[in-house]
Amino acid sequence: NAGVTQTPKFQVLKTGQSMTLQCAQDMNHNSMYWYRQDPGMGLRLIYYSASEGTTDKGEVPNGYNVSRLNKREFSLRLESAAPSQTSVYFCASTQGLASYEQYFGPGTRLTVT
Amino acid sequence: GQQVMQIPQYQHVQEGEDFTTYCNSSTTLSNIQWYKQRPGGHPVFLIQLVKSGEVKKQKRLTFQFGEAKKNSSLHITATQTTDVGTYFCAGVGGTSYGKLTFGQGTILTVHP
Repeated sequence: NAGVTQTPKFQVLKTGQSMTLQCAQDMNHNSMYWYRQDPGMGLRLIYYSASEGTTDKGEVPNGYNVSRLNKREFSLRLESAAPSQTSVYFCASTQGLASYEQYFGPGTRLTVT
Repeated sequence: GQQVMQIPQYQHVQEGEDFTTYCNSSTTLSNIQWYKQRPGGHPVFLIQLVKSGEVKKQKRLTFQFGEAKKNSSLHITATQTTDVGTYFCAGVGGTSYGKLTFGQGTILTVHP
C-alpha cells in the first residue's frame, strides 16, 4: 500500500497563476484533510471532507477550493496564487473524523513569486 | 475558536538529557493526539489520549492527559539523536468536532 500520495512534490508559481494539488489514499479512509504548514505556526486546516460527497471549511479556507472526486481522491485548487500562499501543503486521511489517527502524505512545497 | 498552545517552541538538549513539551487548550478536549515530524518529512502519529488523567508510555516516551482534559505533555527520557524533530499535539474539542487543532510544535535538537 502506498498510503497517502501527493503530487507534485515541488511547485513554483507566479502571482495570479492557478494550480491544483492532487491527493490520493489507498486505505479506504472516509475522511480527508488539507493542511498548510508555515514556520512557527504548526499545521492549519484549510478544508476537510468528512466523507465522500461532503466538504467543509477549516481554519484558513480563503483563496482555496477543494473537490472530493471520489472516496480515494481529494484535490486542492488555488485559483489565483498569492505570495501569502507560499507554504508546505499536506494532505491527510483518517478512517473517520478526528477520533482516529491521521495519515499524512509527503507534502507539496509551493513557492509563489 | 479553539486554540492549542504548545511550549517551548525550541528545545536544545545534549544526548542523554530528558525533554518535555507541554500543550494547553483554551477549551476542554475530547481527545488529544501527538505527532512527530522528522526534518523534511511529514507528521507521523504517535499516540492518542482520551481519558482524564490518562498516562501512556512508549519505550522512553511518556504521554499525559490532564485531569481537566485541557492540557497534555510529552516527556522523553534520555534523549537520543533519533529523537530529533518537531513534536506536535493536536486536540479535538468544543466546536471543532471532527477537526484536529494543532499546537505550534516544539522543535527538538539533540546534540551528540
